[in-house]
Amino acid sequence: DADVTQTPRNRITKTGKRIMLECSQTKGHDRMYWYRQDPGLGLRLIYYSFDVKDINKGEISDGYSVSRQAQAKFSLSLESAIPNQTALYFCATSDLGTGLLADTQYFGPGTRLTVL
Amino acid sequence: AQKITQTQPGMFVQEKEAVTLDCTYDTSDPSYGLFWYKQPSSGEMIFLIYQGSYDQQNATEGRYSLNFQKARKSANLVISASQLGDSAMYFCAMALNTDKLIFGTGTRLQVFP
Repeated sequence: DADVTQTPRNRITKTGKRIMLECSQTKGHDRMYWYRQDPGLGLRLIYYSFDVKDINKGEISDGYSVSRQAQAKFSLSLESAIPNQTALYFCATSDLGTGLLADTQYFGPGTRLTVL
Repeated sequence: AQKITQTQPGMFVQEKEAVTLDCTYDTSDPSYGLFWYKQPSSGEMIFLIYQGSYDQQNATEGRYSLNFQKARKSANLVISASQLGDSAMYFCAMALNTDKLIFGTGTRLQVFP
């Protein structure tokens, strides 16, 4: 089984609808992230969480909210979806304190979201 | 401001040859990590290799090596003995002490027989 899972894998919705993307991990990592990928722009950070009580905005948080329900679960919500939120969304996890300058982030398979 | 630049939108390489994918970075922080990820057409992001800013030696992982030139702020990925399965998008990324990754725009590598 995959260490980082995302549901749904694909979603088509209409403008104005509320959408929730879910991420679960079995890696036991404390840190979780949500990224968005648009063609030609690489990945951009939406929100990140270093533990259950810690939520932080990333580069492009407007129009999004998150919930860290447990160490293993991190959900991303679009309260009122708009077409320019059509993108590929990735969840990622990393461990705390491996002794490196930066911990490796491990990504889920991605959710392809289309807003009509 | 922190930034990652990948100037090669696309690269071609013949099977079994080596290829270098360029990456330059910009940061004034002395402590950082540099990463390369592979994204095949199926979409997942696969971690390839990591280099810390204080590492004295270039990182290697199998056929992947990272040519780290700190003074030039470059972290090029070298893939030796290219295989058809190496065809994918490749992203360079940098993380500072908060572990937030900053990504470049990627390079599409195509390996031909």
